[in-house]
Amino acid sequence: AQSVSQHNHHVILSEAASLELGCNYSYGGTVNLFWYVQYPGQHLQLLLKYFSGDPLVKGIKGFEAEFIKSKFSFNLRKPSVQWSDTAEYFCAVNSGYSTLTFGKGTMLLVSP
Amino acid sequence: DVKVTQSSRYLVKRTGEKVFLECVQDMDHENMFWYRQDPGLGLRLIYFSYDVKMKEKGDIPEGYSVSREKKERFSLILESASTNQTSMYLCASSSLTGSGQPQHFGDGTRLSIL
Repeated sequence: AQSVSQHNHHVILSEAASLELGCNYSYGGTVNLFWYVQYPGQHLQLLLKYFSGDPLVKGIKGFEAEFIKSKFSFNLRKPSVQWSDTAEYFCAVNSGYSTLTFGKGTMLLVSP
Repeated sequence: DVKVTQSSRYLVKRTGEKVFLECVQDMDHENMFWYRQDPGLGLRLIYFSYDVKMKEKGDIPEGYSVSREKKERFSLILESASTNQTSMYLCASSSLTGSGQPQHFGDGTRLSIL
């Protein structure tokens, strides 16, 4: 079965610090990869997605992620975080048909 | 804009009750999903449906059932609620067209079983 591993459960950063959240998946075939974000009290929103082509994908709010097939990784990055980026971040992999397998999430707290 | 609406934000029920959670989407999506979200466990798929009257078990279907009588509506049923079903329940939908279509989520229903 497909699995997704997010390395950090909690991350605390100061504003303007750089962010990298790790995500690794287990499936060796063709994958579609996603990062979702859940701001406090809000529904999950799509940050970015990778289907094919350029392995560096850009999403909303200055986020980007790099797909490295040889490492089965899809890490999320942002050069300079803001207080408003405080949220929970989920990595997800399309595991066949239309279902997604989610990681356990990383809670990011950005202090002003 | 995409809209997935869950009937209740908060719900409190008693052990042994039959509980219905309703979800409606307005995007004419073929696929609909029910997840539960628990701290430290992420999202776990309970059931999904790719067409009216069709359903497939997800990773944790025990104690749950679903109903999809109309394309826009997907109901999650707790046949006999238990305290370990206290959780946040999320509904999502996606288009069947193309591979890896993103899922769109509702606001969630926080269910407490007493």
